Amino acid sequence: DADVTQTPRNRITKTGKRIMLECSQTKGHDRMYWYRQDPGLGLRLIYYSFDVKDINKGEISDGYSVSRQAQAKFSLSLESAIPNQTALYFCATSDYSAGGYNEQFFGPGTRLTVL
Amino acid sequence: AQKVTQAQTEISVVEKEDVTLDCVYETRDTTYYLFWYKQPPSGELVFLIRRNSFDEQNEISGRYSWNFQKSTSSFNFTITASQVVDSAVYFCALSEAYRNQGGKLIFGQGTELSVKP
Repeated sequence: DADVTQTPRNRITKTGKRIMLECSQTKGHDRMYWYRQDPGLGLRLIYYSFDVKDINKGEISDGYSVSRQAQAKFSLSLESAIPNQTALYFCATSDYSAGGYNEQFFGPGTRLTVL
Repeated sequence: AQKVTQAQTEISVVEKEDVTLDCVYETRDTTYYLFWYKQPPSGELVFLIRRNSFDEQNEISGRYSWNFQKSTSSFNFTITASQVVDSAVYFCALSEAYRNQGGKLIFGQGTELSVKP
């Protein structure tokens, strides 16, 4: 089974709808992240979380909210979806060791289309 | 502010050619990490390498090699004898180093490599 899973993998919705993207991990990492990928822009950070009680905004948090329900689960919500939120969304996890932050492990991505 | 620039949007080569993907970064931190990820057409992100800012040794892994130069703030990636399976989008990324900074990745725009048979 994959270490980082995302549901749904694809979603088409309409402007104004509320959408939740879910992420689960089995790696035991405490850090979790949500990024969005747009063509020509690379990946940009939406939110990140140190643990269940510590959630922080990233570069492009407007229009999004998150919930860290447990160490292993981190959900991203679009309260009222708009077309320019059409993108590929990635969840990632990481941990911190004596050598610093290790690489991030990414989920398979959720392709969201807002009509 | 931190920034990563991959000036090459698209590169096309013929199989067996060598190809270098450029990455230039900006940061005020003295300690940081640099990464390369590969995104094949299937869409997942595959980790390739992590480099600590204090370690300027070049690294080679099979046909892949990386050249890190702090003097020019560059972390370039070379594929030797490219193969069709190397066709993908490649991302360079920068991360802060300290525990309380969160380990956030700042990505470049990506370089799409197409290797033709």
